Amino acid sequence: DGGITQSPKYLFRKEGQNVTLSCEQNLNHDAMYWYRQDPGQGLRLIYYSQIVNDFQKGDIAEGYSVSREKKESFPLTVTSAQKNPTAFYLCASARSKGAKGSTGELFFGEGSRLTVL
Amino acid sequence: AQSVSQHNHHVILSEAASLELGCNYSYGGTVNLFWYVQYPGQHLQLLLKYFSGDPLVKGIKGFEAEFIKSKFSFNLRKPSVQWSDTAEYFCAVNDAGNNRKLIWGLGTSLAVNP
Repeated sequence: DGGITQSPKYLFRKEGQNVTLSCEQNLNHDAMYWYRQDPGQGLRLIYYSQIVNDFQKGDIAEGYSVSREKKESFPLTVTSAQKNPTAFYLCASARSKGAKGSTGELFFGEGSRLTVL
Repeated sequence: AQSVSQHNHHVILSEAASLELGCNYSYGGTVNLFWYVQYPGQHLQLLLKYFSGDPLVKGIKGFEAEFIKSKFSFNLRKPSVQWSDTAEYFCAVNDAGNNRKLIWGLGTSLAVNP
């Protein structure tokens, strides 16, 4: 089945530790996204990538880092610099429209819930 | 700057009631419009979309939405809700000409009582 796989589903971290969330897709999509979802705040964009080896900061990139070495993979690292990392993280992908971005029809993974102890 | 406003944060309905969730956006250019749904314990998924053409669009599970350009609105409707429609609903917009990222509303939590 085609789709997006996020792992782990649940993750606990001690303060001061970096943690990496995995996102893999087999939809052959060029565009990939990381969002953070907090109650009452909707989805906030952390980073996005339109093509391999390129990515852009979203609205709340501070304290996060990403890489896009392969089309299928877009891992997110939550660093110790992120002041409030406890959240639900969603990865998504979309077909690309080249320089105009994506179609806007996003396919989402099931999410990773990070809790900092 | 673009923004999306969803007027109702929490809605509680009984089964068979009619549903209308408001969505307004602020942007002067041509837009693409979306409604996404997140059922409890499931991943976020596309409910319906508008790119161009007929402003009344139909999505999955009997949902529809109407794009009213003069009102900058894209309200979601369903004539008769079911318990299984309990979910969180998100409206989203992007620039049709340069759609690098979606602008999201804060979401509306819908609870349908059996």
